[in-house]
Amino acid sequence: QVQLQESGPGLVRPSETLSLTCIVSGGSISTYYWSWIRQPPGKGLEWIGYVYHTGSTSSNPSLGGRVSLSVNPSKNQFSLSLNSVTAADTAVYYCARVSQLVVYGMDVWGLGTAVTVSS
Amino acid sequence: SNVLTQPPSVSVAPGQTARISCGGYNIERKSVHWYHQKPGQAPVLVVFDYSDRPSGIPERISGSNSGNTATLTIARVEAGDEGDYYCQVWDISNDYYVFGTGTKVTVL
Repeated sequence: QVQLQESGPGLVRPSETLSLTCIVSGGSISTYYWSWIRQPPGKGLEWIGYVYHTGSTSSNPSLGGRVSLSVNPSKNQFSLSLNSVTAADTAVYYCARVSQLVVYGMDVWGLGTAVTVSS
Repeated sequence: SNVLTQPPSVSVAPGQTARISCGGYNIERKSVHWYHQKPGQAPVLVVFDYSDRPSGIPERISGSNSGNTATLTIARVEAGDEGDYYCQVWDISNDYYVFGTGTKVTVL
């Protein structure tokens, strides 16, 4: 059974870069897309972007090009970098698997990691 | 419109039927997925491609679509059905995902 685990700092200073990693266990990172989603406190879900196992990516244009996504197949993990963060980037960040088997829905999610942007 | 609109809240008595709509964003041309999120937990996929269920999701949870509106129906509502529900589409032409505004389901 595939499991995802997010890791990274819980506190980031304004204007710095938020970096998170998602470790995939119980299955291979190959053949799937891998996505990041966030949820500000008390608000809804926002898609951040995805990375394919080959390294190709797509991200939410509303984030203004601040997003960088990468994958490391040898470590079975993928990563998110979000630069020039502000308080508006404070959220719970989730990683998720995007599967063709569910018509590109997100069928496996990590537990989420809370990130606060504050000085 | 580039927004997926859902009703903010739905209240339903136990054993009754809850219906949650999702409209806009020209969804009749896209696959719609639904997620259930309980407080403090990650979302769970409950319906994909309008009406299919992943394994482990009970048959009383179903999805449908009519024109530019998708609907999630929860029959014989139970206390465990409480939480937030989100619809989602993948805009293939622009290559990004959009989530709906979310609906809070309360079991009375």
